[in-house]
Amino acid sequence: GQNIDQPTEMTATEGAIVQINCTYQTSGFNGLFWYQQHAGEAPTFLSYNVLDGLEEKGRFSSFLSRSKGYSYLLLKELQMKDSASYLCAVRSGAGNTPLVFGKGTRLSVIA
Amino acid sequence: DGGITQSPKYLFRKEGQNVTLSCEQNLNHDAMYWYRQDPGQGLRLIYYSQIVNDFQKGDIAEGYSVSREKKESFPLTVTSAQKNPTAFYLCASSSRQANYGYTFGSGTRLTVV
Repeated sequence: GQNIDQPTEMTATEGAIVQINCTYQTSGFNGLFWYQQHAGEAPTFLSYNVLDGLEEKGRFSSFLSRSKGYSYLLLKELQMKDSASYLCAVRSGAGNTPLVFGKGTRLSVIA
Repeated sequence: DGGITQSPKYLFRKEGQNVTLSCEQNLNHDAMYWYRQDPGQGLRLIYYSQIVNDFQKGDIAEGYSVSREKKESFPLTVTSAQKNPTAFYLCASSSRQANYGYTFGSGTRLTVV
């Protein structure tokens, strides 16, 4: 089976940097996704990693180490609107294989 | 603009009733998925379909049924056999490109009354 772990909750200060970790165990790894989900809304795509290393996209960066089964999402210059849940999801298999999601990390940004 | 539409946004069901949640996409995506989300939980896969007229059970398919008669449509029926149907239901679609991920609908919140 597959197992994806992420912290349940985190709190960070406006303007700071926060790192949300995700560890996974799977066979046939074919990509890791990060989504942002505001309360009561659908998830929105943030990033995709399939090779080791860092992918940067504005204030958000995502890192992957396949050998360690580890990823993190880095959020810089935190804003109040970044308060949301962040979901880590893994694909194991070809392009349309369903994603398996972690339980999500609820981030609260405080002034 | 292309997108994926779920309806209704809110749905109330009496115990013992079947209800059907609609999901329509005009993105020309081959694959479609249904997930359920409970408070404090991640998304759990109910059913998915990779091509028309074919679908597979996910991790929690019991008490649910689907059909995929058209590429654009993937309705989910919550049957009376589903003992705890109150949840947030999300439909998603994807293309074959591995890096594309999902496009999600806006979700349907189902409540049993």
